[in-house]
Amino acid sequence: NAGVTQTPKFQVLKTGQSMTLQCAQDMNHEYMSWYRQDPGMGLRLIHYSVGAGITDQGEVPNGYNVSRSTTEDFPLRLLSAAPSQTSVYFCASSYSIRRDTQYFGPGTRLTVL
Amino acid sequence: SQQGEEDPQALSIQEGENATMNCSYKTSINNLQWYRQNSGRGLVHLILIRSNEREKHSGRLRVTLDTSKKSSSLLITASRAADTASYFCATDTGGGNKLTFGTGTQLKVEL
Repeated sequence: NAGVTQTPKFQVLKTGQSMTLQCAQDMNHEYMSWYRQDPGMGLRLIHYSVGAGITDQGEVPNGYNVSRSTTEDFPLRLLSAAPSQTSVYFCASSYSIRRDTQYFGPGTRLTVL
Repeated sequence: SQQGEEDPQALSIQEGENATMNCSYKTSINNLQWYRQNSGRGLVHLILIRSNEREKHSGRLRVTLDTSKKSSSLLITASRAADTASYFCATDTGGGNKLTFGTGTQLKVEL
């Protein structure tokens, strides 16, 4: 199994541009989530999904959209990038909402100029 | 808002010594988890302790939980240079599998 994969690894955007961060898992996990990590802070939950077709907001959802059309994929869309969205983004998955171990991807480092 | 706060923020020890990190949180939890993050990498799950447990072991790791004090500690015994990483506690307050992370402890183990 490849586990949780994320693309791209690095991205530089200009203010106002849009883009999609990709996340995929091959473990047939129901639960997937997106976090952002900023210096000096722990990870903060952006959006999560408990299964295909079901998504919900986390702690810091503004400026981001998600969809879950398949079990495997959970893309994160930045609608109009802002410098405040400069961060490292991590995708995570777990077998179900009742299973507690989460598996994290390697992260995407995003810079918004 | 941050649920967990780790202490110390940074810790430097010699190989072979024990490393202790502490985590305090604010609200009632279902479980508390510890993760490790190597520089530039994703997080790796280390251990989970449920709210009705007081101590748990996994290899060289020992985790304690005191729900009355809303605190947890992670002990790494006989540390190795490969243990150099950031360590985060994360709390599950019952809203499904949503975790709230602390700010982390940076551990450096020197040869």
